[in-house]
Amino acid sequence: EPEVTQTPSHQVTQMGQEVILRCVPISNHLYFYWYRQILGQKVEFLVSFYNNEISEKSEIFDDQFSVERPDGSNFTLKIRSTKLEDSAMYFCASRGPAREKLFFGSGTQLSVL
Amino acid sequence: GQQVMQIPQYQHVQEGEDFTTYCNSSTTLSNIQWYKQRPGGHPVFLIQLVKSGEVKKQKRLTFQFGEAKKNSSLHITATQTTDVGTYFCAGLPNAGNNRKLIWGLGTSLAVNP
Repeated sequence: EPEVTQTPSHQVTQMGQEVILRCVPISNHLYFYWYRQILGQKVEFLVSFYNNEISEKSEIFDDQFSVERPDGSNFTLKIRSTKLEDSAMYFCASRGPAREKLFFGSGTQLSVL
Repeated sequence: GQQVMQIPQYQHVQEGEDFTTYCNSSTTLSNIQWYKQRPGGHPVFLIQLVKSGEVKKQKRLTFQFGEAKKNSSLHITATQTTDVGTYFCAGLPNAGNNRKLIWGLGTSLAVNP
């Protein structure tokens, strides 16, 4: 089955530093998402992206966050100045044109020290 | 705002016992999806329900969508240790062109061998 791939699997950073989390969605998918999950708790929606622009974002997705699809295959999440509370597992997901299932990547565990 | 409540939050069962988790939405849903997340893993799609009153089965798993399309359940018959994980429901609201799934908090299932 096709996969969403995420890199790195773990990222440790100092508070205030910028991080970029990378994702390669499934190639023919059109909708891309970032979610985060703090230590096995609920899956929190951050942002959805379609047609090269943000289609929806949550309250969590403030000015410190940005997303980009720089080259038609990668989908990145940037956190400009990380805070301790940004520590979480970040999942990228993608889906095809119909309102069908989401395919999740294996996640990037972000630790902000 | 739109919410999906999921109960119970945790469930411990003996292997062989049945298990049920319930989802209730504050609004009518276009469809509802169920995902399973193994410990340390990422959410994996199980099924999507679309029709009012729909019932779908996958081996020992039975999924139901309520007549009013506001609630859903997942029932596992004769649990096995491989069923361990967190089960999430995620509903797509009926109103507007919202592409954002509303996630429940998940039910964590532990199975004692």
